[in-house]
Amino acid sequence: EPEVTQTPSHQVTQMGQEVILRCVPISNHLYFYWYRQILGQKVEFLVSFYNNEISEKSEIFDDQFSVERPDGSNFTLKIRSTKLEDSAMYFCASMGGSNQPQHFGDGTRLSIL
Amino acid sequence: AQSVTQPDIHITVSEGASLELRCNYSYGATPYLFWYVQSPGQGLQLLLKYFSGDTLVQGIKGFEAEFKRSQSSFNLRKPSVHWSDAAEYFCAVARSGSARQLTFGSGTQLTVLP
Repeated sequence: EPEVTQTPSHQVTQMGQEVILRCVPISNHLYFYWYRQILGQKVEFLVSFYNNEISEKSEIFDDQFSVERPDGSNFTLKIRSTKLEDSAMYFCASMGGSNQPQHFGDGTRLSIL
Repeated sequence: AQSVTQPDIHITVSEGASLELRCNYSYGATPYLFWYVQSPGQGLQLLLKYFSGDTLVQGIKGFEAEFKRSQSSFNLRKPSVHWSDAAEYFCAVARSGSARQLTFGSGTQLTVLP
């Protein structure tokens, strides 16, 4: 069964550094998402992306965050200047159509030192 | 804004016993409803979904859920739990529409005793 792939599985970064989290959504899916889960807390929506632009974003998704679909297969989340509170598990998801469910990757655990 | 409540943080059942995990949502219209399962170190796997139609939906691994509009609930059930079902279970809601961000509950951790 096709799946969403995320790399790396664990990223350790110094505070203030830039980090890029990578995702390969399911082929021919049209909608792409990033969520995060701080340890012990709920999974929270960050951003959705459709037709090469952001369709929705949460309050968490401030100017430090950006997303990009640089080619036909990758979907990236960039955090420009990381803070300690950015430490979390980041999940990528993709969806084939508006009447289909979202499929999630295994996540990238981001640790900010 | 939509919200989801999972009132049970942790549930323990014996293998072979039945299971019901509770989920209540708050949303102005009929939402799209989902249950996901997360095993340690893994991502979120979709168990089942409700969009419309029959209010009793069947999912993978023998799970089912029933949408009850009058109670704003979407409880997950399984008649006989297996040890491999031990995991964290998340209920999620989304409004209809193309972008459709998911709002998750805080999760229920399921422990299965031998």
